[in-house]
Amino acid sequence: EIVLTQSPGTLSLSPGERATLSCRASQSVGSSYLAWYQQKPGQAPRLLIYGASSRATGIPDRFSGSGSGTDFTLTISRLEPEDFAVYYCHQYGSSPWTFGQGTKVEIK
Amino acid sequence: QITLKESGPTLVKPTQTLTLTCTFSGFSLSTSGVGVGWIRQPPGKALEWLALIYWDDDKRYSPSLKSRLTITKDTSENQVVLTMTNMDPVDTATYYCAHSRYSIFDYWGQGTLVTVSS
Repeated sequence: EIVLTQSPGTLSLSPGERATLSCRASQSVGSSYLAWYQQKPGQAPRLLIYGASSRATGIPDRFSGSGSGTDFTLTISRLEPEDFAVYYCHQYGSSPWTFGQGTKVEIK
Repeated sequence: QITLKESGPTLVKPTQTLTLTCTFSGFSLSTSGVGVGWIRQPPGKALEWLALIYWDDDKRYSPSLKSRLTITKDTSENQVVLTMTNMDPVDTATYYCAHSRYSIFDYWGQGTLVTVSS
């Protein structure tokens, strides 16, 4: 099973700042089958990024993903008020599919 | 427009079997590459993948829960059913179903909170 470790646990930033979230896998994620989700309180997760770097439909270009192998990054170039949420990485390259423990992006 | 909705009991007793139904629209589960998965989230905790069924009836399960889970599909009714046996209070969570395109969960239902308590 591939274990995904996200860091930091909490990121305290102000609107307009840049957010950099990390996701490290315990073994290589095949074919960069790595996705990122955003979740707000009381809502279902929303797909942001798949294939490590492809934006899902309707996702603003301030969200970008990068990385390969075992190290992946989600970058939000300039935080908007609606971006404060919890973010999860998820690997779907090998069964069992796994999620990271999440990074909370909170308003400083 | 793809939509999914979970339904089932909100409260189950320990040792009982949970049956959840995912009713969907906007896609067919007979289309190549398509699947429906189940993911749960205990209150205040992270997401946990449970099971996934593909258009060709290939089924995958979380190894830690495999002995307790069964996933089936009814293509004509646009439904996927998940059963989980021997429920325990630690299984209290919001259960989501999600559309999968080549294993990517791109559309999610709103989720249903299941509480396990006597």
